[in-house]
Amino acid sequence: SQQGEEDPQALSIQEGENATMNCSYKTSINNLQWYRQNSGRGLVHLILIRSNEREKHSGRLRVTLDTSKKSSSLLITASRAADTASYFCATARANSKLTFGKGITLSVRP
Amino acid sequence: DADVTQTPRNRITKTGKRIMLECSQTKGHDRMYWYRQDPGLGLRLIYYSFDVKDINKGEISDGYSVSRQAQAKFSLSLESAIPNQTALYFCATSDWGEVEQFFGPGTRLTVL
Repeated sequence: SQQGEEDPQALSIQEGENATMNCSYKTSINNLQWYRQNSGRGLVHLILIRSNEREKHSGRLRVTLDTSKKSSSLLITASRAADTASYFCATARANSKLTFGKGITLSVRP
Repeated sequence: DADVTQTPRNRITKTGKRIMLECSQTKGHDRMYWYRQDPGLGLRLIYYSFDVKDINKGEISDGYSVSRQAQAKFSLSLESAIPNQTALYFCATSDWGEVEQFFGPGTRLTVL
């Protein structure tokens, strides 16, 4: 069963706009990770936030984590056409296994 | 990620055939994983191995088996392939601890 559930399932924005994606999960976690997948290719790790962290930045990415609400958000600022991809949140528990959500399809229109 | 390779990249086979998917890594990681991806379902863990002598079932291990031949090699076998095993299969590796995973390019398997 999926631990993380992303929202929305699909998002279409104009180049230059910000994209916000949300992830909710059900049980306690050690960390939450976001991955990107370009069509039909392998997943690429974007950012990891630990359960004792509330916000983290990496370049144009900003991720937040609210453990009381069991939710996380990924913000991509100033989006580019190259950001078009599927984005997955994945939760890690004490045994280090990752449980992935179903993914969000982001389309950035030039 | 070129450090994690998968062979073959595409495979079409028939129901009942035995299939092996291979994964090799040059990252020096002890931990390796096999996932399958189906449209709309995200990634689901099939098997994982935390070192050469450690093999564990994941969420959907029925119909699959694995072999960890060396630290760098982790193979997934379908003993008797069936059509609902048609999917995209990914191998991944990670270091010890709760850290990121590095994915291979995937194997697209079609079972007719």
